[in-house]
Amino acid sequence: GAGVSQSPSNKVTEKGKDVELRCDPISGHTALYWYRQSLGQGLEFLIYFQGNSAPDKSGLPSDRFSAERTGGSVSTLTIQRTQQEDSAVYLCASSLEPVNTEAFFGQGTRLTVV
Amino acid sequence: QKEVEQNSGPLSVPEGAIASLNCTYSDRGSQSFFWYRQYSGKSPELIMSIYSNGDKEDGRFTAQLNKASQYVSLLIRDSQPSDSATYLCAVINSNYKLTFGKGTLLTMNP
Repeated sequence: GAGVSQSPSNKVTEKGKDVELRCDPISGHTALYWYRQSLGQGLEFLIYFQGNSAPDKSGLPSDRFSAERTGGSVSTLTIQRTQQEDSAVYLCASSLEPVNTEAFFGQGTRLTVV
Repeated sequence: QKEVEQNSGPLSVPEGAIASLNCTYSDRGSQSFFWYRQYSGKSPELIMSIYSNGDKEDGRFTAQLNKASQYVSLLIRDSQPSDSATYLCAVINSNYKLTFGKGTLLTMNP
C-alpha cells in the first residue's frame, strides 16, 4: 500500500486478555516506531526498530509489552494481561532511514480495555 | 530535562496573522527536526522537515533551525481556520530516537 497501515482500527478487550496490534510500514522503509497517545496527551515513545532490530526499547511501560518486526517489514506490538490504563491510541510510523528522512504515521489503533 | 519542549498553549492568533510556534531540544547531537500537525482524533501529519541551520520555506510555512541554541520554530503566515490544530515538534536525537514534544494547541480568532 501507499501508506502506513495499522490493524485493527479499533479494539475493545476485556481486562486481563492479551492483544496484538499490527503495523505494516511503507514499502522499503527501514525504520519503524511505535507510540502511545492517551486522551489529550502527547505521543509517548514505546520502541524503535531499525530493520528487525530494536536498538531502543526504553519506552516500553512494563514487561507486559513486547514488540517484534519480521522481514524488515511488518511489526507486531503485543500487550499481555491488559489493564485499563493501557487504553489509548497506539500509533506506528515509518521512515526510509533513521536520520534525515521523514516519518509517516498510520491511522492508529484505538485500544479500549473494559 | 525533557528531550523536546514546547509551550502547550493554547496560542490564539487572528485569522490572516502570523502564528509563531517554538520548540527546544536537549540533545546537542540531534540531527533531524520535524513539525507535525494533529487534528483532534486524527494521526499526526508531517508538514515540515529541516536538517540544517537556517530557514526552510514551503508555501505558508517556514521552519527555522538554530542548532547552537537548540531551537526550532515554525511560522505560519496568513493563518486560516483550517490551521487550528495541535502542532508537534519532533527531533531525531543522536541515538536515532524520534521524540515528540507535547504539542502546542493553535486556535484562530475570527
